Amino acid sequence: EAQVTQNPRYLITVTGKKLTVTCSQNMNHEYMSWYRQDPGLGLRQIYYSMNVEVTDKGDVPEGYKVSRKEKRNFPLILESPSPNQTSLYFCASSLYPQYFGPGTRLTVL
Amino acid sequence: DAKTTQPPSMDCAEGRAANLPCNHSTISGNEYVYWYRQIHSQGPQYIIHGLKNNETNEMASLIITEDRKSSTLILPHATLRDTAVYYCIVRGYNAGGTSYGKLTFGQGTILTVHP
Repeated sequence: EAQVTQNPRYLITVTGKKLTVTCSQNMNHEYMSWYRQDPGLGLRQIYYSMNVEVTDKGDVPEGYKVSRKEKRNFPLILESPSPNQTSLYFCASSLYPQYFGPGTRLTVL
Repeated sequence: DAKTTQPPSMDCAEGRAANLPCNHSTISGNEYVYWYRQIHSQGPQYIIHGLKNNETNEMASLIITEDRKSSTLILPHATLRDTAVYYCIVRGYNAGGTSYGKLTFGQGTILTVHP
């Protein structure tokens, strides 16, 4: 089944403890992207990747890192999470149209 | 990308057709109309897209007016599982610069399908 997967789906952590949210797609898409969704603010793009080794910032990249070492994976890294990064995170692949993963609900205490 | 306007909410009876309108009066010639939906806190789900011709797939139909300034998403036989927020998005293929590929979701239409 063609899909975008994310892990973990739910995570509660504490300030400053490094974490990684994984994203994987099995559709051979070049483009991948990360969004966060907050009440009243809609979806905001964090980072995107045009293809392997090419990544760039979206609208809200501060506090996040990404890597794209292989086409299928695009992990989101929070080196030192803070409470304002508590949010619902979505990974997406493909440009036209975009296909979204199921989401990762992150709580930073 | 062109701005879109959708009604904040709509109701539909189960089994009936749900017709969701979208206004995009500033759409330009190379911009497509996309529809997504988001069922409570799940990932947005792509439904359908079109340029100027009407489109149909297994999920829905998309009717675009001849002047392309508005469109309607039709769910032919709505079920309770179609209750979701529906987003109409207009974008072109050549959107570049920062935040490349970013989809801008507006407020959408909350569709409630009731028994």
